Amino acid sequence: GENVEQHPSTLSVQEGDSAVIKCTYSDSASNYFPWYKQELGKRPQLIIDIRSNVGEKKDQRIAVTLNKTAKHFSLHITETQPEDSAVYFCAARIDNQFYFGTGTSLTVIP
Amino acid sequence: DAGVIQSPRHEVTEMGQEVTLRCKPISGHDYLFWYRQTMMRGLELLIYFNNNVPIDDSGMPEDRFSAKMPNASFSTLKIQPSEPRDSAVYFCASSQLAGGMPFFGPGTRLTVL
Repeated sequence: GENVEQHPSTLSVQEGDSAVIKCTYSDSASNYFPWYKQELGKRPQLIIDIRSNVGEKKDQRIAVTLNKTAKHFSLHITETQPEDSAVYFCAARIDNQFYFGTGTSLTVIP
Repeated sequence: DAGVIQSPRHEVTEMGQEVTLRCKPISGHDYLFWYRQTMMRGLELLIYFNNNVPIDDSGMPEDRFSAKMPNASFSTLKIQPSEPRDSAVYFCASSQLAGGMPFFGPGTRLTVL
């Protein structure tokens, strides 16, 4: 199956700074890459996604980039706010199955 | 729609006891997934169903784990006998299409003493 690695496992930033979370995948057949945000004690929820035929996608302060050649994709959060503090998961889809990274715990310091 | 519904939300049991987790997927979603979340291993897919039929159970850790989906609106994940290492948050998720993004339930936090 697919192997998704996610870095860093923890990340602390000052409010207003940017945060970047990176994921790599192993199978070039993976074709869809969602990102989930999980607040403490809550369910993971989709925040943004990107398909393999697109290099970049942006939604307000959140953007995702995909490098198919290098098989890595990244989540970028600009102008971070305390409510961005959560665990973020990347995932890769192959053969209609999703494989998740191990998560990044983001803390935004006011 | 209320989203994916799971029960119980919290379960504390003693080693050796049987545990049953329950899930109601979003109406109209043909795919149902059971995930386990731990600090060490993150989110792991245990099993998924399509139209009530188990498709891939390769993630089920061992014979102590079993899952059923008797109809389109209900699934169970059973652990018998439970062990302390089974302590985790168990998420049920559903999706409408093959390869569609999973919508997660609130999870069941299981503690096995």
